[in-house]
Amino acid sequence: RKEVEQDPGPFNVPEGATVAFNCTYSNSASQSFFWYRQDCRKEPKLLMSVYSSGNEDGRFTAQLNRASQYISLLIRDSKLSDSATYLCVVYNTNAGKSTFGDGTTLTVKP
Amino acid sequence: DGGITQSPKYLFRKEGQNVTLSCEQNLNHDAMYWYRQDPGQGLRLIYYSQIVNDFQKGDIAEGYSVSREKKESFPLTVTSAQKNPTAFYLCASSIWGSGELFFGEGSRLTVL
Repeated sequence: RKEVEQDPGPFNVPEGATVAFNCTYSNSASQSFFWYRQDCRKEPKLLMSVYSSGNEDGRFTAQLNRASQYISLLIRDSKLSDSATYLCVVYNTNAGKSTFGDGTTLTVKP
Repeated sequence: DGGITQSPKYLFRKEGQNVTLSCEQNLNHDAMYWYRQDPGQGLRLIYYSQIVNDFQKGDIAEGYSVSREKKESFPLTVTSAQKNPTAFYLCASSIWGSGELFFGEGSRLTVL
């Protein structure tokens, strides 16, 4: 079983749709959690950090459930520019390294 | 501007040749990382370094080597022992303990 698992996708949605991505992690020692966005053939860029209390940034909401070892990302009112691959990342402070999920690809269509 | 610079952006090499990829950062970050990404897959950790003159193997270190002689620099050598070196290589840095990674633009290596 992979340490970080994401919905395989791809997700193809119309503009204006709400879409949710899920991610589970197996290492309970993981201490920090992030969503990154990666455009085709580009480097990943931080989208948002994920906290137990949940956090929101405009149309994006991230949630962490430590008991279930589950992370989610909700995108409301999808835009064409949201089309990208979304990577779930968990960081283990003790080990000093991050583990990436394989990513979920989103395509928003007109 | 602060950031991470990787070079070259594209590199073509023949089988059996060693290749060194450069990674320089001016963010004053202690931690630096090298990842490999294959098409349709996530990033896999090759090597990482928490401090100058120290580094650790990641999940797929075989066939690679690194050095960390300066805080700003973390070059990666892809040796001839790496069985399938064609990939997208990403260097990142972070404040130690934060987990938030800052990436360079990547180096795309093709072995012919």
